[in-house]
Amino acid sequence: EDQVTQSPEALRLQEGESSSLNCSYTVSGLRGLFWYRQDPGKGPEFLFTLYSAGEEKEKERLKATLTKKESFLHITAPKPEDSATYLCAVHSGSGNTGKLIFGQGTTLQVKP
Amino acid sequence: SQTIHQWPATLVQPVGSPLSLECTVEGTSNPNLYWYRQAAGRGLQLLFYSVGIGQISSEVPQNLSASRPQDRQFILSSKKLLLSDSGFYLCAWSVQYNSPLHFGNGTRLTVT
Repeated sequence: EDQVTQSPEALRLQEGESSSLNCSYTVSGLRGLFWYRQDPGKGPEFLFTLYSAGEEKEKERLKATLTKKESFLHITAPKPEDSATYLCAVHSGSGNTGKLIFGQGTTLQVKP
Repeated sequence: SQTIHQWPATLVQPVGSPLSLECTVEGTSNPNLYWYRQAAGRGLQLLFYSVGIGQISSEVPQNLSASRPQDRQFILSSKKLLLSDSGFYLCAWSVQYNSPLHFGNGTRLTVT
């Protein structure tokens, strides 16, 4: 069964304290891994897409990497405005439906 | 640019009442459309997806239904709400099956 697991569930950082979020996946055939940011009461906001192992994407203080079994979202020198829930999702298998399997998310709190 | 509109933002309905949530997309043609539900503290669960007008696929057996009367309009309905239907409902669209999903800001539904 396809599965996506994110860790940790919650993470508290001091402003400027760099860290990484993990997304482990077990899928029949990876067709894309997606990272989203979700603020309370809002819909998820798309951050990155990764399609193959070794691929990396960067945006401001965020950097996403991908291996054959997991993805990391590295946060460098975070600021309080980076506080949010970060969701990982994978698209797998055959067909053209675009169905994504989501992880439970990591809730990040950055304290000033 | 493409935008997605979802309404209402919040809704309180009694058990047994009907439901209609609407979602429209602007700035693109023939998008894939999705309805997700996010329960508190849980990941996103795919409810329905559509690859074209009148084409609806259901992922989870339940008392909800979806319709796509126009290319960029997606409606989530129920004839009789249950307490377990409470949650955060999100509409999303994508260009094609392996491209990122873009979400609306959701509807918070409380069934009392």
